[in-house]
Order: sequence, then C-alpha cells, then structure tokens
Amino acid sequence: DVKVTQSSRYLVKRTGEKVFLECVQDMDHENMFWYRQDPGLGLRLIYFSYDVKMKEKGDIPEGYSVSREKKERFSLILESASTNQTSMYLCASSLFEYGKTNEQFFGPGTRLTVL
Amino acid sequence: GQQVMQIPQYQHVQEGEDFTTYCNSSTTLSNIQWYKQRPGGHPVFLIQLVKSGEVKKQKRLTFQFGEAKKNSSLHITATQTTDVGTYFCADRGRGSTLGRLYFGRGTQLTVWP
Repeated sequence: DVKVTQSSRYLVKRTGEKVFLECVQDMDHENMFWYRQDPGLGLRLIYFSYDVKMKEKGDIPEGYSVSREKKERFSLILESASTNQTSMYLCASSLFEYGKTNEQFFGPGTRLTVL
Repeated sequence: GQQVMQIPQYQHVQEGEDFTTYCNSSTTLSNIQWYKQRPGGHPVFLIQLVKSGEVKKQKRLTFQFGEAKKNSSLHITATQTTDVGTYFCADRGRGSTLGRLYFGRGTQLTVWP
C-alpha cells in the first residue's frame, strides 16, 4: 500500500513563527503536492513538485515556500505564520506515467492553528 | 487556469434515497477523477473517466462523462450511511501542468438513517 505520512496531525503556532510541515511518501512517486483545505473552499493547491529540487507554484503560493531535497520528502514552509494560515494542510503524491491514471494519494493531514 | 464547478455544495438525504453530484466546466475537460473524503479523513481516489460519453459503475455508484466532455456526474443509488462524506471531482492539467489536478469544491453528503 502507498503510504503518505505527515509529521504532525495537530500543530499550534504563534503569529510570526517559522513553521515546517513535513511529508514523506514511500512509493517512489515523482509528483508531490501541498494543499490547504478550508470549509466551502475545497482543496486548493499551494505548491507542487515534479522532481527533486523542482517546484511549481499552485493557485495560492503567497506566504509559503517548499523544499524537495529528496524524492520521498516534500516540505512546506511558512516563513512567518499568520492567523489566516490556520487551516488543514494535506500532502499528496502520485506517479507520472503517460497513459496511466496517476491518481493522487493523500496523507492524513495536519491541522495547523496559528494564534 | 482550468476551473471546475461542482454542485450542489451540500446534500442531505434520507437513507435509501438517491444522490447525484455534478461537475461542470466552460471548457473541455481533460480527464476527470473522482475522490471521496470521509469525515475526519483524507481524500481517496475512486475512479477516472477519460472518454467522451464514458460510463463506469462501482456497485451503487455510477460515474458519467458528458458527450462534449464539459461535465461529469456521480450518482449513488439507494444511499447508505457509509456513503457520508465529501465527494470531489478533479480535472487533469494539460501541457506544463499535466501532473496536477484542478479540484472542484466538493459536495458534502449527509445521510440520515
């Protein structure tokens, strides 16, 4: 079974703190993604990565950065956390093969509260 | 960018009633994937539709892709309490965004016993 793990299920931080959210997948997937999920807004893509050291902006990258130093690990960084970044953060991974389904496998999520 | 509109946002049904959620786009959809997220859980892949007019079934779930590839639907027959959750559709990106998905906002289904 594909497994995507995230470093924390719940996290509480203070405004202005630097926050690291870690995601690890064990299936050698090329693609990795960071989403945030808010009620009524669905899944919004923050950043994604096609390969090691590569990153692409998603739909809401402002206030976030990412790092992918190893294929299995994708980190989301909040340089200076703000209250409007309180949310559920979901990591996902997928293969990238032409002609294949390449469905995304999601981690359990990290519920971040910024006070 | 690609946009996928999903309706309704909420649906409350009595157990045994049918349920349908719709995905629509003003432009041609690429491939549609459907996901289910149980309360407190994470999205889980259900199925992918690729061809115009395609219909696929998974037990009580029927997935359709419109003839013009501008809409898709998920229909559940005789809902059960185990169907509770949020259902998302997602369109696959194209070209430089081929590896990503564009998600609809989801339909949250509540089933009353």
